[in-house]
Amino acid sequence: DQQVKQNSPSLSVQEGRISILNCDYTNSMFDYFLWYKKYPAEGPTFLISISSIKDKNEDGRFTVFLNKSAKHLSLHIVPSQPGDSAVYFCAATGKRGDMRFGAGTRLTVKP
Amino acid sequence: DVKVTQSSRYLVKRTGEKVFLECVQDMDHENMFWYRQDPGLGLRLIYFSYDVKMKEKGDIPEGYSVSREKKERFSLILESASTNQTSMYLCASSLSLGISYEQYFGPGTRLTVT
Repeated sequence: DQQVKQNSPSLSVQEGRISILNCDYTNSMFDYFLWYKKYPAEGPTFLISISSIKDKNEDGRFTVFLNKSAKHLSLHIVPSQPGDSAVYFCAATGKRGDMRFGAGTRLTVKP
Repeated sequence: DVKVTQSSRYLVKRTGEKVFLECVQDMDHENMFWYRQDPGLGLRLIYFSYDVKMKEKGDIPEGYSVSREKKERFSLILESASTNQTSMYLCASSLSLGISYEQYFGPGTRLTVT
C-alpha cells in the first residue's frame, strides 16, 4: 500500500503560469518531505524540502506547502518555464531516513 | 559535487541468472539505498544500509539481497533473475541521519530479464 500518493499522473501548463503539483501521505510518522525532479535517462535530483515543523519553504521559483492536518503537500512553480518539463516525485521520510516516494507527476510546460 | 555511479546503464540477462548491480559513491556518505522504478508505481525501496556490513529491508526485498563490504560501495544481487524483475534500478546515498535526509541518486541501470 503506497504511503505517498500523487494522484495526477500528468499536468500541462503554459509557460509563465503557475504549476501546482500535489501529494498526499498516510503515515503520520513522516516528518520530512522532499520533492525530486527527474529527466529521462537520469537519476532523480533533489529540488526542495520541508520539515514537519514548517508549513512553507521557498527557494526561488519553487515553493513547497505542507498541511499536516490534511497530510497534504504541494509544490508551486512560478513562473513555469519549458525547462521545468520533467517528472516530479514527492517523497517522505521519518527518523530512520528511509524514504517513500509517490508515483510521480509528469509536468509539461508549453512555450 | 556528490557523485553516485552505477556499473551499467543497460543490462540484459536471462531468467535464472545471478545478477550483480554495483553502486559507488564518492562523498563518504553513511547511508546507501537501492530502489526500483516502474511506471505508475514510482520508486520503491528494496534495501538500504546505514553502515558497512549493515542492511535493512525496504518494502520489496523478495528476490534480492545486498552487500556492503566497503563504505563507498553497495551492491544489489538478484539471486535468480526473473522477468518480473525487469525494471529501472536506482542507487542513492545520503549523509548521516540528523544532518541531512537528502538522497543523491545515480543515473540508473535499466535491467531487462528475458
